[in-house]
This record gives sequence, C-alpha cells and structure tokens, in this order.
Amino acid sequence: EVQLVESGGGLVQPGGSLRLSCAASGFTFSSYWMTWVRQAPGKGLEWVANIKHDGSSKYYVDSVKGRFTISRDNAKNSLYLQMNTLRAEDTAVYYCARWELAMGQYYYIDVWGRGTTVTVSS
Amino acid sequence: QTVVTQEPSFSVSPGGTVTLTCGLTSGSVSTTHSPSWYRQTPGQPPRTLIYSTNARSSGVPDRFSGSILGNKAALTITGAQADDESNYYCVLYLGSGIWMFGGGTKLTVL
Repeated sequence: EVQLVESGGGLVQPGGSLRLSCAASGFTFSSYWMTWVRQAPGKGLEWVANIKHDGSSKYYVDSVKGRFTISRDNAKNSLYLQMNTLRAEDTAVYYCARWELAMGQYYYIDVWGRGTTVTVSS
Repeated sequence: QTVVTQEPSFSVSPGGTVTLTCGLTSGSVSTTHSPSWYRQTPGQPPRTLIYSTNARSSGVPDRFSGSILGNKAALTITGAQADDESNYYCVLYLGSGIWMFGGGTKLTVL
C-alpha cells in the first residue's frame, strides 16, 4: 500500500525551529517529486515547497523562502522540512504529498499523508 | 503577483449540476497550467478528483468532470449528492517551479 506518514509537529515558540519528517512506503520513493502543503486553521490549502527526485531542484512559496528547507533521503525513503524562524502565521497542518506525472507532461498530487500539526505560539 | 481564484461558496440542489471554476487574476488558464482538483472534508486530508484538466483519478465517479471553460479551469458535478458537500480546491502551475492553490470553494448541497 502506498503510504505517507508525517511526524515532527508540535508546539514551538515564535522564532523557534522544527523539523518535519515524512516516511514513504509502498512505492519507489526516489522516482518522484515530493511536496509539502499546509493548511492553517479554518483556511485553504497552501503549497509550500517541492523537491525533485534526486534533490537537485527545490522550490518554495515566497513566504517561507530563506526560513524553510525541503530535503530528502532516498536511502531512507524520507522527506523532510526544516522550519526556522517560525512565525505565528506558520501555524498549520502540514501535509506531505507525492507528485505524479500524467501523459508525460502534467503533474498532479496523487498521494497525501494525513498531516502533522505545527503550532507557533508563546 | 498572480493569484489563483475560486468561488468562495456555491450551493446546489440534490440531483442538480454545478460548475466550479479556477481562474487567474492575470491571464487565462490553459492545459499548460496542469489544472487539478481536490476535495476535502473537515479533519481529513485532501482527495484527488481530477488531473491534467479533465482526467478522473482512480475511483472517482463519472459525475465529476473537468474542462477549460473560457479562460478558467472548471469542475462540473452532475447529479449532486448529499455527500458531495465538501471543500473543493484547484491547483495550478504558475511556472518557474511555483504552484498555487486556489482559495477553495465550499459546496453546499441543499
């Protein structure tokens, strides 16, 4: 069964750091782009960051550039999100997800984890 | 900065047809934006409905269809059922490695 399981969420003070992890199973992790998507309480989905199969390319939403770092360890089938200088507005459920490629050119998210909650508060 | 737009809310009668749209504040949506659609109920992760503009994800009933209508991507639900009541999100590729979700549409079936 294809599965993504996030961990590492919790309560952190403003300015603090947190590292999220996502354990992948049931598929060849090293063949897929991966992503983090977040959802603030009562709000919509927000794309946060993408990373290429081999980790050679990374992209971020402007609001997290310079503070968050996406990374992966293909040997451990794991995706990570290092979050530094956290702000109250980073409070959200963070989903790990997989990008699938259709028809050789169109990407979409086909597998979602259940999410891990990050709360930034003093 | 370009923003992806969706109707904040929509209402449909049981058995009725509704079309939700996904646009851009600047420019038109085309297949090159790789539009896809997701539904989410409170407390649950999203579920993939439509990808590549109009392809249905595995297990999605054919009551759900995607298209480009005018300058927007569209999700049409025919024969709406009570359990279609949900939040619906689109996501578009904006180029240079950047993706953006729309704000979501809360669909009410009543």
